[in-house]
Amino acid sequence: DTAVSQTPKYLVTQMGNDKSIKCEQNLGHDTMYWYKQDSKKFLKIMFSYNNKELIINETVPNRFSPKSPDKAHLNLHINSLELGDSAVYFCASSQAESNQPQHFGDGTRLSIL
Amino acid sequence: SQKIEQNSEALNIQEGKTATLTCNYTNYSPAYLQWYRQDPGRGPVFLLLIRENEKEKRKERLKVTFDTTLKQSLFHITASQPADSATYLCALDPSGGSYIPTFGRGTSLIVHP
Repeated sequence: DTAVSQTPKYLVTQMGNDKSIKCEQNLGHDTMYWYKQDSKKFLKIMFSYNNKELIINETVPNRFSPKSPDKAHLNLHINSLELGDSAVYFCASSQAESNQPQHFGDGTRLSIL
Repeated sequence: SQKIEQNSEALNIQEGKTATLTCNYTNYSPAYLQWYRQDPGRGPVFLLLIRENEKEKRKERLKVTFDTTLKQSLFHITASQPADSATYLCALDPSGGSYIPTFGRGTSLIVHP
């Protein structure tokens, strides 16, 4: 069983469109995350979410929004896609305690035409 | 500003040798440091965690050291195999008590048969 799964694996779309990426975890973790990995391979946190709080990286444009229907799911909605949004987006989960490892999905490669 | 540095150049070694990867940091006082492995097209996978009061941690052929004076962690793979070829990322807990680690950009390891 896949611990953290995200769909789709590839997403090719036009500039200006709105798209969503879905993520599910079956590890029973209380916190989920979205990361962006750019062409230089830096993995940067975008959002951290549990049922108590949403932590947003202040550099993330408000065109990006996380939506959590329940504890096991955290979807990422992106409005008005721009060329600079092209990257690999990773979902992850963990327990919300210091030093707990992150468990990652296999990423969604987003390409904007 | 806080900075994590990992060698951006790939490390090429022969099978059977020990691979040593470096993670340096500045303006951090991390309580722990994590190492992850990332294969192409996959998400990072957690390998080891070492705490600030631990000098060394081992797991099978892996060894991690943590020198808070030098502000450096070394990651060793002994008796390396071609299957060890991947990108290895270090991650530090940020200051301020957040549980979200900050990742370095990773170093690519290539083990030649």
